[in-house]
Amino acid sequence: DAGVIQSPRHEVTEMGQEVTLRCKPISGHDYLFWYRQTMMRGLELLIYFNNNVPIDDSGMPEDRFSAKMPNASFSTLKIQPSEPRDSAVYFCASRTGGHTEAFFGQGTRLTVV
Amino acid sequence: AQTVTQSQPEMSVQEAETVTLSCTYDTSESNYYLFWYKQPPSRQMILVIRQEAYKQQNATENRFSVNFQKAAKSFSLKISDSQLGDTAMYFCAFMQGTYKYIFGTGTRLKVLA
Repeated sequence: DAGVIQSPRHEVTEMGQEVTLRCKPISGHDYLFWYRQTMMRGLELLIYFNNNVPIDDSGMPEDRFSAKMPNASFSTLKIQPSEPRDSAVYFCASRTGGHTEAFFGQGTRLTVV
Repeated sequence: AQTVTQSQPEMSVQEAETVTLSCTYDTSESNYYLFWYKQPPSRQMILVIRQEAYKQQNATENRFSVNFQKAAKSFSLKISDSQLGDTAMYFCAFMQGTYKYIFGTGTRLKVLA
């Protein structure tokens, strides 16, 4: 398996634009997590899914953020409209319910100017 | 609420020497998991070692070992025979049940030649 795949790896966008980050989890993994990493706040959990269903979205900062998982092999995190304070590295991670190790993608570095 | 604290923002060690990274956590639960993740400059999050709280024996993985003190809620990582490739951010993380990981703020480790 190629691991968790995120795209794009880097994204630069202008304030007010819509941004969509994509994630392909490892096949067979039934948990998917979206994390945001900043210098100030470290790694924060935004939302996680179990069997494609959102379980906890309490970490989503505000209504500008939304996440979907239409099937077991694909998830998106959307920011609309984007703001400079959204600049961060966004990680997707997946794991199976029977194991404790979460596998991370390489992250998307988002810069909003 | 569970919290994870890493009190050493930065550390350095000479190549081939031993270094210990500290981590404390807070929880009222008795069964949980603890992890150390490594994040090199490539940004990839890599699992270094994990510990199950109900196991008294400290986990080891080659040059990496932990000192798990459950009563003190302490979980330190010891790296023996440090190598230049160990240069990275190290994150301590806590997980209970099938729920989310909670990460510390990280320790930046630099191995000096």
